[in-house]
Amino acid sequence: AQSVTQLGSHVSVSEGALVLLRCNYSSSVPPYLFWYVQYPNQGLQLLLKYTTGATLVKGINGFEAEFKKSETSFHLTKPSAHMSDAAEYFCAVTRGSYIPTFGRGTSLIVHP
Amino acid sequence: EAQVTQNPRYLITVTGKKLTVTCSQNMNHEYMSWYRQDPGLGLRQIYYSMNVEVTDKGDVPEGYKVSRKEKRNFPLILESPSPNQTSLYFCASSFKANTEAFFGQGTRLTVV
Repeated sequence: AQSVTQLGSHVSVSEGALVLLRCNYSSSVPPYLFWYVQYPNQGLQLLLKYTTGATLVKGINGFEAEFKKSETSFHLTKPSAHMSDAAEYFCAVTRGSYIPTFGRGTSLIVHP
Repeated sequence: EAQVTQNPRYLITVTGKKLTVTCSQNMNHEYMSWYRQDPGLGLRQIYYSMNVEVTDKGDVPEGYKVSRKEKRNFPLILESPSPNQTSLYFCASSFKANTEAFFGQGTRLTVV
């Protein structure tokens, strides 16, 4: 069975600090991995994705994520948080039949 | 502009009164899906469609119906809404199931 675990429902950082949002997955087949962001009162939009090839993936707004097969992880990072990064972040992984499964989300809080 | 359009954005209804939430995409995508978002539970898939006239249940299909008579439209039908269907609903589409998903703005449904 496919599953996605996002560690921490809330992550709080100071402006300028490193952002680290954790995502672990289980998959019986090579996965396709995604991070989406949801700003207040909006739908989700794609931040970045891993399909094949380079394991370090760069996305929009300075975010990046590294696919680590040995750790079954796809953690999202950003070197320096900005107030505008405050949002809900979702990790998603495709199932064996290519249907995406979403994690429960992590709310990023950025303090001035 | 490429987009997924949901209507209505907000809806308050009474228990048992049939309702339909519409979803339309203008990107000629094959794959469409419906999710509900509840606090602490993340996104849960209700139904999905791989193409016209092809639909299947997601993780939480009870109490919902869908149809896919045209490629661009994928309405969500609640035949007899109940208070436990109060939620934020999202429609999404993608070229294929394992490619980037484009989300609508969401429909906040309250059933009293």
